[in-house]
Amino acid sequence: QLQLQESGPGLVKPSETLSLTCTVSGGSISSSSYYWGWIRQPPGKGLEWIGSIYYSGSTYYNPSLKSRVTISVDTSKNQFSLKLSSVTAADTAVYYCARRILVYDSSGYNNWFDPWGQGTLVTVSS
Amino acid sequence: QSVLTQPPSVSAAPGQKVTISCSGSSSNIGNNYVSWYQQLPGTAPKLLIYENNKRPSGIPDRFSGSKSGTSATLGITGLQTGDEADYYCGTWDSSLSAGGVFGGGTKLTVL
Repeated sequence: QLQLQESGPGLVKPSETLSLTCTVSGGSISSSSYYWGWIRQPPGKGLEWIGSIYYSGSTYYNPSLKSRVTISVDTSKNQFSLKLSSVTAADTAVYYCARRILVYDSSGYNNWFDPWGQGTLVTVSS
Repeated sequence: QSVLTQPPSVSAAPGQKVTISCSGSSSNIGNNYVSWYQQLPGTAPKLLIYENNKRPSGIPDRFSGSKSGTSATLGITGLQTGDEADYYCGTWDSSLSAGGVFGGGTKLTVL
């Protein structure tokens, strides 16, 4: 059974870089069928897609965060990582990693996230 | 403001049926598939529906999904108190360069 686990600092200072890692167990991150993604949820608010990565290293980012986001993959460790630079209080959120299924057919893009990690709260504060 | 519009809240009594709507546009729902997620209090979201109307293994058939034009609907029958949660729709948006988008979420209260 595939499981994902986020790890990283729970407190980051304003203007610094938020760094999180997602460790995948029970399956290979190098599977050609899947992408791997980051999603965040500010306290009391909805979900926001941050970005996704393929095992080959191809990345896709939310345009609203693209200038500050870097997602990378380490297939030897079965991990992928998120870096978000120049953080502010608005970046305080629970950050989730998830496996992303993304396929295209004549009816359009078919895209969903399953499973999800348990999430980790990152607070931006001095 | 979310790209996909959901009602902030819905409510119904135990045993009843409820529907949750998700409205979008031709760049997202209108030309792509929809997924639905359930987020129980204090937990991570869980996939309920994918490919508009398919249920992953282990999801009871009380949950159903449908899509028509630029809107999608999640239906839940035989409501249980354990269904109290936030529900989110999600899809692809062609205007966002390989982007995934979510609705703002709907809080379901089982009275």
